[in-house]
Amino acid sequence: AQSVTQLDSQVPVFEEAPVELRCNYSSSVSVYLFWYVQYPNQGLQLLLKYLSGSTLVKGINGFEAEFNKSQTSFHLRKPSVHISDTAEYFCAVSSFAGNKLTFGGGTRVLVKP
Amino acid sequence: GAVVSQHPSWVICKSGTSVKIECRSLDFQATTMFWYRQFPKQSLMLMATSNEGSKATYEQGVEKDKFLINHASLTLSTLTVTSAHPEDSSFYICSAGELVSSYNEQFFGPGTRLTVL
Repeated sequence: AQSVTQLDSQVPVFEEAPVELRCNYSSSVSVYLFWYVQYPNQGLQLLLKYLSGSTLVKGINGFEAEFNKSQTSFHLRKPSVHISDTAEYFCAVSSFAGNKLTFGGGTRVLVKP
Repeated sequence: GAVVSQHPSWVICKSGTSVKIECRSLDFQATTMFWYRQFPKQSLMLMATSNEGSKATYEQGVEKDKFLINHASLTLSTLTVTSAHPEDSSFYICSAGELVSSYNEQFFGPGTRLTVL
């Protein structure tokens, strides 16, 4: 069984400031890791994913995340946010063997002008 | 890129009626589709996994007879909420899996908001 913890339920941030969203996971097997963004009343859009290889993953819209196996973390970062980054962000994991995604509780990012 | 549609995008129904939600993969064939439920300000909870031509696999605590899932083709899965009640009001999101290398990547639909009066 896997679990995902997003430590911050809400993150207010000023426009053009950096932001980091924290994600920790627990799993007895190796996993794939994902970050999704959800805008109001919409489905999920994949920001980035870690399957293997380099632990620093770059995604869309200027986001990046770093996989840290020893700390079982996959934190998401963006050096300079825009108003349009206001949304809900979900971290998720999937085991190699299965395709089911387990989601964290989500982090609401509110970008202020 | 892979596109998944859902229909309807929102629906309001009376208590006791049944509602059908469609999930289609528009530009790829999906052997596996997933149905999620999301309550306001909460995360997504997987309800069931459906494979084309076979019975869906439901997560623990999800009533099979209430949430009927059909996956009749490689591009269409349907979720029917039978005898809906106000507590079934929620945002329902489907995803379709496309095999990328050795991994079945999920592409999400835009969701369907169900309100039961």
